[in-house]
Amino acid sequence: ETGVTQTPRHLVMGMTNKKSLKCEQHLGHNAMYWYKQSAKKPLELMFVYSLEERVENNSVPSRFSPECPNSSHLFLHLHTLQPEDSALYLCASSQEVAGGAETQYFGPGTRLLVL
Amino acid sequence: GQNIDQPTEMTATEGAIVQINCTYQTSGFNGLFWYQQHAGEAPTFLSYNVLDGLEEKGRFSSFLSRSKGYSYLLLKELQMKDSASYLCAVRDGNYQLIWGAGTKLIIKP
Repeated sequence: ETGVTQTPRHLVMGMTNKKSLKCEQHLGHNAMYWYKQSAKKPLELMFVYSLEERVENNSVPSRFSPECPNSSHLFLHLHTLQPEDSALYLCASSQEVAGGAETQYFGPGTRLLVL
Repeated sequence: GQNIDQPTEMTATEGAIVQINCTYQTSGFNGLFWYQQHAGEAPTFLSYNVLDGLEEKGRFSSFLSRSKGYSYLLLKELQMKDSASYLCAVRDGNYQLIWGAGTKLIIKP
């Protein structure tokens, strides 16, 4: 499935750096998601955007800042991260319909290492 | 709280059959998903069950029993490329996806 792309695929950053992750979906969906995936743990939902408005942030630390300029693009801005933030960050999209969202489709993820 | 349980790791032999179980306790139920995730790659959608019974898609089948809070993914005629993690996720009463930690499936020749 190449409908959702993410860049960069790998990122190494220091705790004082500022970087951004980018996600783009080519599926015509109206909802986009950021997830954090750590080894042997369930996917953690970080942010949800529906029709370009943020609807959920699940108490994510403020060092993570999302941006959704349109329904096809999603960014995750990172600053002053901690080593425990090292993980795979996955972007997903879906089509929201009356009664809920349909199947989510994922990008390949950004493997982040914070030193 | 809401919880999804699935085995951490399973091993099977090429050509054989394997069943990956998933049990869930959620506030409401609006469907169960199975995803496959190869190492370093995106999770890809495999199946969706919302009614009780078996859904078959080629070598893969998924079963659901809502009364038991139970599902399984059945993989037949295993191939080496089936080595991956298999993620179970349940959509709860608020249409939020609750994820399991995944089952790593190792296929041996």
